[in-house]
Amino acid sequence: SQTIHQWPATLVQPVGSPLSLECTVEGTSNPNLYWYRQAAGRGLQLLFYSVGIGQISSEVPQNLSASRPQDRQFILSSKKLLLSDSGFYLCAWSETRGQMNTEAFFGQGTRLTVV
Amino acid sequence: AQKITQTQPGMFVQEKEAVTLDCTYDTSDPSYGLFWYKQPSSGEMIFLIYQGSYDQQNATEGRYSLNFQKARKSANLVISASQLGDSAMYFCAMRDIRFQKLVFGTGTRLLVSP
Repeated sequence: SQTIHQWPATLVQPVGSPLSLECTVEGTSNPNLYWYRQAAGRGLQLLFYSVGIGQISSEVPQNLSASRPQDRQFILSSKKLLLSDSGFYLCAWSETRGQMNTEAFFGQGTRLTVV
Repeated sequence: AQKITQTQPGMFVQEKEAVTLDCTYDTSDPSYGLFWYKQPSSGEMIFLIYQGSYDQQNATEGRYSLNFQKARKSANLVISASQLGDSAMYFCAMRDIRFQKLVFGTGTRLLVSP
């Protein structure tokens, strides 16, 4: 069966510090991968998505970046965090192109507080 | 560009009653999928129901049904016989087949009262 791992669960970082959030998927190959950010009580903002290794689509211009060094690994990074980067970050995966009737599966999320 | 709109920031319903959560979407892609997710206070995302753009019948999953009106570009979620455990945030989402981009609406907070 497929599983998705996202860590850490919580993180408190000072302004200006770097960030690295990791997400890995097991039990499938060539998944679509997504990073979302959710402000408190708000909707899910799509940050990045990837349909294959090295293929990253950025949805929101900001000081965050994403990489997919391996097929089932998706990393969200920042060189210098801003206060506005605080939020709940969710990683998700779904089956690849052509399989529309499959839902996206989410990790447990990382609650990031920038202080 | 894809867009999902949920115009109800909050909804209240009494236990055992039915409730409809609204969702409209916009896309130029003829092939897409529509999804509803529930997010309890724990933060986890729970998949509820799916509707494909070419599906002729409305999707149903237990107490959940999706009222799909393609010409109006709406995909409303109907929850029948509400339960206290249904209190949560509900998100409508859409994925296009061409780019596989999955976008969400702003959500509706549902509160079920005894």
